[in-house]
Amino acid sequence: SAVISQKPSRDICQRGTSLTIQCQVDSQVTMMFWYRQQPGQSLTLIATANQGSEATYESGFVIDKFPISRPNLTFSTLTVSNLSPEDSSIYLCSAGQGARETQYFGPGTRLLVL
Amino acid sequence: QQPVQSPQAVILREGEDAVINCSSSKALYSVHWYRQKHGEAPVFLMILLKGGEQKGHDKISASFNEKKQQSSLYLTASQLSYSGTYFCGTGGATNKLIFGTGTLLAVQP
Repeated sequence: SAVISQKPSRDICQRGTSLTIQCQVDSQVTMMFWYRQQPGQSLTLIATANQGSEATYESGFVIDKFPISRPNLTFSTLTVSNLSPEDSSIYLCSAGQGARETQYFGPGTRLLVL
Repeated sequence: QQPVQSPQAVILREGEDAVINCSSSKALYSVHWYRQKHGEAPVFLMILLKGGEQKGHDKISASFNEKKQQSSLYLTASQLSYSGTYFCGTGGATNKLIFGTGTLLAVQP
């Protein structure tokens, strides 16, 4: 199994600023993903973080708003840019070896935008 | 399109059984089941793969009907610790998972 840590665990940000969330996996993984989860809702996939290339974004999510880096097989960052109150949510990182293998989740980052 | 789960919510007494269903409009290669407790990350329960292979929890079982693009999670002799929200995650031809609408399960003493 993989152990995933995220930093920060929570933050309160002002409108118009940006927040960068870090995701660290304790072993090398093929796939890393970023999700958003509104309170009481399901998980919505933002993008797949590809090692050594640009992230693959889902419909409704764009690189200018959610730039992602993945410099190696154990680490990724998600930046939420130009924050608005609508960005208040929980952001979760996950990692795995593919859709036929277990996907593990980090503890999440709780973001509140004022 | 997001998979639909049913029921949306269920309340059980300890020792009772429950079935949670997950239905997709797309062809499935895998179905993953997770349980999430309030304020925590989703925890992996089980994977069901096209072709019949299963990997996961000893005390929880599930089925995968590839033709109907459906999966069911069976919780038997429920315990208080089973309480939480259950999500199915469906895998298609790509490596990503799309998560279902969720089922809130509450087990009471």
